[in-house]
Amino acid sequence: KQEVTQIPAALSVPEGENLVLNCSFTDSAIYNLQWFRQDPGKGLTSLLLIQSSQREQTSGRLNASLDKSSGRSTLYIAASQPGDSATYLCAVGTGANNLFFGTGTRLTVIP
Amino acid sequence: GAVVSQHPSWVICKSGTSVKIECRSLDFQATTMFWYRQFPKQSLMLMATSNEGSKATYEQGVEKDKFLINHASLTLSTLTVTSAHPEDSSFYICSASPPGDLNSPLHFGNGTRLTVT
Repeated sequence: KQEVTQIPAALSVPEGENLVLNCSFTDSAIYNLQWFRQDPGKGLTSLLLIQSSQREQTSGRLNASLDKSSGRSTLYIAASQPGDSATYLCAVGTGANNLFFGTGTRLTVIP
Repeated sequence: GAVVSQHPSWVICKSGTSVKIECRSLDFQATTMFWYRQFPKQSLMLMATSNEGSKATYEQGVEKDKFLINHASLTLSTLTVTSAHPEDSSFYICSASPPGDLNSPLHFGNGTRLTVT
């Protein structure tokens, strides 16, 4: 069974810093990998989707990489802002749109 | 972009009663929708896959008689928590994707916070 791990569980950084969130998964047979943002008590907002054949995706200040062979993905956030404070979830798609989620990294950007 | 609407956003009910949660795809048809549950400080866990016009597929450990799923139209799936108990208190989220290849991103509703007293 696919297991997804996210490290660290929580992270606090001062505003303006660049940061990296890590995600690892146990089974490299994946369709895609998706990064989400979740604000407290809210649903999920999709940030980036990386297909299994791709190595990275970029959107604004966000860059996600995928190394399928090693079972790893990173989410890079440049020039962090207080509005980036949220929980970031990594989810691995294994087919038929079934997603296995990590436990998330709770990010706090301090003004 | 694709929008998924979930209702209600929160509900408080007494133990033993039933609660229905709706998940709608607003601008696309979804033959398949997914129901997830999230306990505090834990990640989302898939409960069941809702299939339009047929029975839902439940994940191991999820009681199908307790969590009734109905997907009667291409834009609506409902999850009914029957005879709710305090341990059913959780955050329930649905998701759906426009039809097409399996690699299209999933879109999530805003979730429903259920509290059973």
